[in-house]
Amino acid sequence: SQQGEEDPQALSIQEGENATMNCSYKTSINNLQWYRQNSGRGLVHLILIRSNEREKHSGRLRVTLDTSKKSSSLLITASRAADTASYFCATEGSNYKLTFGKGTLLTVNP
Amino acid sequence: GAGVSQSPRYKVAKRGQDVALRCDPISGHVSLFWYQQALGQGPEFLTYFQNEAQLDKSGLPSDRFFAERPEGSVSTLKIQRTQQEDSAVYLCASSLLRVAYQPQHFGDGTRLSIL
Repeated sequence: SQQGEEDPQALSIQEGENATMNCSYKTSINNLQWYRQNSGRGLVHLILIRSNEREKHSGRLRVTLDTSKKSSSLLITASRAADTASYFCATEGSNYKLTFGKGTLLTVNP
Repeated sequence: GAGVSQSPRYKVAKRGQDVALRCDPISGHVSLFWYQQALGQGPEFLTYFQNEAQLDKSGLPSDRFFAERPEGSVSTLKIQRTQQEDSAVYLCASSLLRVAYQPQHFGDGTRLSIL
């Protein structure tokens, strides 16, 4: 069963614009991770934020976490055509398992 | 260095046949995971190994699914008497140590189609 829901399900923007994706989850977590998946490929880890952190940056990525609302957001700034992919949030609870959402399909138009 | 390698990349089988999917994790990675990804969905956990020990198989859909990692490196996911609902992408991932705070490294998956 899926833990969370990404919102929106699909997002289409122009190159240079920012893209924001949201993730909601249901149970308590140790950390939340974001992954990218290009069509026909495996998932690539982007960033991990621990439950006691509120914001984290990595290059053009900014992730926020609100444990009181059980939600997270991923912001990609100055998007590029190469950012076109599906983006998944995944939560890790007290065990080692990752539970993924259904993903957001991001299309960046040149 | 080499990433996680999965083979075959594509597998077509007739309903009722047995299939075996292989995963070569990153060398030295202790933890290994199998996931099932249906079209348009996120991956769903199947099973977890720490070295050769299968510590969790709670996600395996039925007793037709079996996974092993006998020497703590290569893993095989076997599906017996395949059904059409088994059609999916099967992803393998590995991580260096116990998972907490360690990212998982994924292979490109095996796309299984059951006719």
